[in-house]
Amino acid sequence: LAKTTQPISMDSYEGQEVNITCSHNNIATNDYITWYQQFPSQGPRFIIQGYKTKVTNEVASLFIPADRKSSTLSLPRVSLSDTAVYYCLVGYTGRRALTFGSGTRLQVQP
Amino acid sequence: NAGVTQTPKFQVLKTGQSMTLQCAQDMNHEYMSWYRQDPGMGLRLIHYSVGAGITDQGEVPNGYNVSRSTTEDFPLRLLSAAPSQTSVYFCASSDPGQLTEAFFGQGTRLTVV
Repeated sequence: LAKTTQPISMDSYEGQEVNITCSHNNIATNDYITWYQQFPSQGPRFIIQGYKTKVTNEVASLFIPADRKSSTLSLPRVSLSDTAVYYCLVGYTGRRALTFGSGTRLQVQP
Repeated sequence: NAGVTQTPKFQVLKTGQSMTLQCAQDMNHEYMSWYRQDPGMGLRLIHYSVGAGITDQGEVPNGYNVSRSTTEDFPLRLLSAAPSQTSVYFCASSDPGQLTEAFFGQGTRLTVV
């Protein structure tokens, strides 16, 4: 089971781009990288998932280098509503359950 | 579309009482799971189910029971509540083969006094 390491917290201002990096040195060949977002008093919400290179959707971009030992979640032009905890998960899509770490608490200031 | 629905949203129990946390999903997902989240921490897996009639233990199963008689429902039973079970409980469901894209309920905040 690949262990992930991400910063405990980050601060940003509205309108800035935020990049949260996750380290996963022991990632396996069939593992995907998945990011979740959790607002206070709510359940986690799937944001984005990727295997290699770059993935983009309407919410975020995910950058994965060739060695796949790390990944970066990029949030363009954050707003106050992006204040949340962001979790990086590594595992294969057939795995029976998710393993969450402590996540990165992002605080966006006006 | 409702997604994953958990009831109740809040509950206070006395030590030793039992109760059932309800979870229902309307997406026809085979996989369902229960997590608990303690303050400032990530989620920890309690029990999960890969389909009706099949359940298995997760990381922290002690003190909890589950059953899965239908695809839609996956209740979590606390047998004899203890203060250490004070937590927020989340139910999740997902499609087989796409388990990393899970849908979570809004959570049940449980306090045991």
